[in-house]
Amino acid sequence: DQQVKQNSPSLSVQEGRISILNCDYTNSMFDYFLWYKKYPAEGPTFLISISSIKDKNEDGRFTVFLNKSAKHLSLHIVPSQPGDSAVYFCAASVAGNMLTFGGGTRLMVKP
Amino acid sequence: ETGVTQTPRHLVMGMTNKKSLKCEQHLGHNAMYWYKQSAKKPLELMFVYSLEERVENNSVPSRFSPECPNSSHLFLHLHTLQPEDSALYLCASSQDRRLSEKLFFGSGTQLSVL
Repeated sequence: DQQVKQNSPSLSVQEGRISILNCDYTNSMFDYFLWYKKYPAEGPTFLISISSIKDKNEDGRFTVFLNKSAKHLSLHIVPSQPGDSAVYFCAASVAGNMLTFGGGTRLMVKP
Repeated sequence: ETGVTQTPRHLVMGMTNKKSLKCEQHLGHNAMYWYKQSAKKPLELMFVYSLEERVENNSVPSRFSPECPNSSHLFLHLHTLQPEDSALYLCASSQDRRLSEKLFFGSGTQLSVL
């Protein structure tokens, strides 16, 4: 059973608009959450993270929101740019141990 | 050269072949990992090495054999694979195994087993 799920395999957004990528988890022990971005023919690269003691973390155009009661996190990209087109993975860990990844969401930002 | 580099980038092999995947990290990290990414599935952790010692093996079939000769190099030896083993194999490293939140990935080896 997957502990981290990304239920939308793909998302298409117009350039300049907001992209919202969602992730749900089942393990209430997760205390650290991350988003990775992956371009074709490249490995995933770290994008942004959030600790369970926070509900929001912002880095430029990227903001991650954490709703612990709903076991849900989301990544907001504002404004979206064509270069943001990639596969986005959410991941979670317990006490700095091994990451558990979601299945990924392919974001396509149309010019 | 910096970061995590993997060779080869692509590999096609028959079920009776023996091949090896290579990973090298130039970040001074102490932990290295092999992940498998199959189509439409989450990244699956296969092996973890910390300071050249294997610390985790997530029930991976014995046809996959890792080797970590030093903290900068990691190999994945492959033999008698099955077509369902076709996937993207990603190597990653982190400063320390207990700081595994932030992983640095290589570009991966796209493996096709015929």
